Amino acid sequence: QSVLTQPPSASGTPGQRVTISCSGGSSNIGSNYVYWYQQLPGAAPRLLIYRSNQRPSGVPDRFSGSKSGTSASLAITGLRSEDEADYYCAAWDDSLSGFFFGTGTKVTVL
Amino acid sequence: EVQLVESGGGLVQPGGSLRLSCAASGFTFSSYEMNWVRQAPGKGLEWVSYISRIGSTIYYADSVKGRFTVSRDNAKNSLYLQMNSLRAEDTAVYYCARDTGVDYWGQGTLVTVSS
Repeated sequence: QSVLTQPPSASGTPGQRVTISCSGGSSNIGSNYVYWYQQLPGAAPRLLIYRSNQRPSGVPDRFSGSKSGTSASLAITGLRSEDEADYYCAAWDDSLSGFFFGTGTKVTVL
Repeated sequence: EVQLVESGGGLVQPGGSLRLSCAASGFTFSSYEMNWVRQAPGKGLEWVSYISRIGSTIYYADSVKGRFTVSRDNAKNSLYLQMNSLRAEDTAVYYCARDTGVDYWGQGTLVTVSS
């Protein structure tokens, strides 16, 4: 069983808003930053969100992150066909002394 | 431009060993913590190991503890992963990744453990 749980899939039509949840616990999301990554088919992952809600330069502002308690969310607004990818949350876990990735969510653009 | 280039992957028999390398450029390597992350075919991401800037603090995932050893050479801008007692379940693409929040990733090197 994974430390961080995500829904296996999410979908939307172009232009819609899609939200992906990431559920954890007090020793990971509850006490540390959350990171979000996008992995396009056949490519290495790419950092989308750091420190729970910050975007690296070059990441469109259509992507936003939030955190509340032991859960976090990634929102994609104005969904585009190129957003079709796998998305992973991640956080350090103080009790397990490790960096844990979520189970991953496949986003499909209908 | 930040670049991380992994090498050393390949086919190895169960019980065998392999040493992965990661060549870093485009940033001050000694100023950053580093990680190894892997991804089994068709599966999700799994963090493998962390090493601090001077190598004084190291962590491993339970799945590799006692079999894998991470190290770095700041003079050579390089990160290493020594993998011993390899198992079929270690088959994966191994990524070298920068910093605590894993902000940059290499393209990965494939390790296949099979007889």
